[in-house]
Amino acid sequence: EPEVTQTPSHQVTQMGQEVILRCVPISNHLYFYWYRQILGQKVEFLVSFYNNEISEKSEIFDDQFSVERPDGSNFTLKIRSTKLEDSAMYFCASSERRSAETQYFGPGTRLLVL
Amino acid sequence: AQSVTQPDIHITVSEGASLELRCNYSYGATPYLFWYVQSPGQGLQLLLKYFSGDTLVQGIKGFEAEFKRSQSSFNLRKPSVHWSDAAEYFCAVGAGTASKLTFGTGTRLQVTL
Repeated sequence: EPEVTQTPSHQVTQMGQEVILRCVPISNHLYFYWYRQILGQKVEFLVSFYNNEISEKSEIFDDQFSVERPDGSNFTLKIRSTKLEDSAMYFCASSERRSAETQYFGPGTRLLVL
Repeated sequence: AQSVTQPDIHITVSEGASLELRCNYSYGATPYLFWYVQSPGQGLQLLLKYFSGDTLVQGIKGFEAEFKRSQSSFNLRKPSVHWSDAAEYFCAVGAGTASKLTFGTGTRLQVTL
C-alpha cells in the first residue's frame, strides 16, 4: 500500500541553524500538508500546498518557515533559523484529488533544537 | 473556528473489554470527522472517517464511530479490545476538501492483559 515517507526520522540541530525536513507524498496525491506536534501537546496545522503554492497557513507558519516542491516527488519544509521552541515532531501529509478531505500522514521527523 | 475536545487523556481497559473513546467537536456546518491512531514511534494512521450519510461508520481493525449531530460528538468504539490496540487516538475535524485538520489532544489507551 502506498505511504507517505519522511526523512530524516530524527534530527538534532543547534539553535539558529537551518533545517530542511523532507517528505515524499503518495505518488498520485496533489495536496500536501505539514503539521507539528510539540511533545505532550496536540497536533497542529502548519501549512497546506497545492499547485505549487501555499493554500493556507497557520499563525505558527511565520517568515522562518517555507515549503517547496523542488521536483515531482519531494515536498520540503525549511526552517531558516531554528529556535528552541521549534523542537517537535513534524508530520507531512498528502491527499488526492478525488477524496481530498482524507489526509494520509507520514511517520514524522522528530526535531530537537539545542 | 473549529475545535475538538477529547475529555479523556488516558484510559486503561482489560483485553477483551469494550472500549469507547469520546470526542466532541465544534464547527458551524457539517463537519468532516476523523479518527487517527498513533502507535509509539509511528505516524498517524487513519482509522475511519465520516462525511455524510449513515451516522455509524466502520473502520479498520474492528473500530466504529457514531456521529451524533445533536451532541456534537463522534465517539470511537470497539466491542473487544486487543493488546495491540494500545496506542494514542486522535479525533480530528476538517472543514472541507483539502482543508486543514484540527486535532484533539488525544487519548492514550493502555490495555492490560
